Amino acid sequence: AQTVTQSQPEMSVQEAETVTLSCTYDTSESDYYLFWYKQPPSRQMILVIRQEAYKQQNATENRFSVNFQKAAKSFSLKISDSQLGDAAMYFCAYRSAFNNAGNMLTFGGGTRLMVKP
Amino acid sequence: NAGVTQTPKFQVLKTGQSMTLQCAQDMNHNSMYWYRQDPGMGLRLIYYSASEGTTDKGEVPNGYNVSRLNKREFSLRLESAAPSQTSVYFCASRRQGLNEKLFFGSGTQLSVL
Repeated sequence: AQTVTQSQPEMSVQEAETVTLSCTYDTSESDYYLFWYKQPPSRQMILVIRQEAYKQQNATENRFSVNFQKAAKSFSLKISDSQLGDAAMYFCAYRSAFNNAGNMLTFGGGTRLMVKP
Repeated sequence: NAGVTQTPKFQVLKTGQSMTLQCAQDMNHNSMYWYRQDPGMGLRLIYYSASEGTTDKGEVPNGYNVSRLNKREFSLRLESAAPSQTSVYFCASRRQGLNEKLFFGSGTQLSVL
């Protein structure tokens, strides 16, 4: 079974600075998808960014980018120019590319990001 | 767009009571999911339904049952609630294809006393 580990329970960053959230995963599969989800205090789950394992290029979405290291099984999220609205729980998630278990996502334990004004 | 509608938002139960969490999506998605969220453990899959008429166990199914009533609706039932089921519950549906994405409901905060 796949596991996803987020080793930083909490992180803080100064507004306008850059922060990197860590995620590692364990899998024996060669093809899969990785995600970062944001959960603000409203509890809503919001997709931040998605990466396909077969793609060499790191995904980017505006101020959000990832550092995907397939050999190391690492998938970190970099937030540039941090804003107060970035304060939230962030979850890393894995999904097999094979159509098993309903294409379920396996989530990490989450990292709470605080942004200081 | 309503997306995924989940009710209720909050619920307090006594040990042994039963209840059903309702979930409906209006996006014509085939796959739907029930997750629970506990501190430090992220979201864990309880049950899923890959298509109308099918349901399967996820990672933590004990103490729960589900019904995929039709393509829109996927309910989660606690037959005899236990304090260990105190959690936040999320329903989700999946858009397939190149723009794959999970759409989540707003969650149900459940406390079992």
